[in-house]
Amino acid sequence: SQTIHQWPATLVQPVGSPLSLECTVEGTSNPNLYWYRQAAGRGLQLLFYSVGIGQISSEVPQNLSASRPQDRQFILSSKKLLLSDSGFYLCAWSVTGGRSNQPQHFGDGTRLSIL
Amino acid sequence: GESVGLHLPTLSVQEGDNSIINCAYSNSASDYFIWYKQESGKGPQFIIDIRSNMDKRQGQRVTVLLNKTVKHLSLQIAATQPGDSAVYFCAELNQAGTALIFGKGTTLSVSS
Repeated sequence: SQTIHQWPATLVQPVGSPLSLECTVEGTSNPNLYWYRQAAGRGLQLLFYSVGIGQISSEVPQNLSASRPQDRQFILSSKKLLLSDSGFYLCAWSVTGGRSNQPQHFGDGTRLSIL
Repeated sequence: GESVGLHLPTLSVQEGDNSIINCAYSNSASDYFIWYKQESGKGPQFIIDIRSNMDKRQGQRVTVLLNKTVKHLSLQIAATQPGDSAVYFCAELNQAGTALIFGKGTTLSVSS
């Protein structure tokens, strides 16, 4: 069966520090991968998605970047964190396919607090 | 533009009652919808999906109804249990067909 792992589960970082959140998927090949941010009490906002190694699409302009160095690894990064980067970051995967009429499956997220 | 919203931010029911959570969407061309359940501190969990060529789809204790005429989606939970307490999100596929757009969520509270 497929599983998705995110780490760390919680992270407290000072303003201006770098960030690296990692997500890996097991049990499937060439998945579509996604990074979302969820503000407190709100829905999910798509940040990045990837349909293959090295292929990253950004949905909103921001202080963050994403990379996919391996088929089942997706990394969310920042060079300098802002207070507004605080939130709950979720990684998700779906079965590969041109039009993603497939459910996305989520990890348990990283709670990021910027001080 | 694309947006997905829910009619009520909170819903309180008694254990054993049926629950109905509603969602309105704006993109008439959307052809794929999903309901998720999110418990505190966890990621959203897939419940059920429906494609636009269907009006109704049933799962275990859950039914999703799609009314394309009024762009309305609902999730029905039969015999609601305390373990059903969570935030429920509807989501639709975006126009590009690349990712899901989520609504803000409805918090379901089930009392014994």
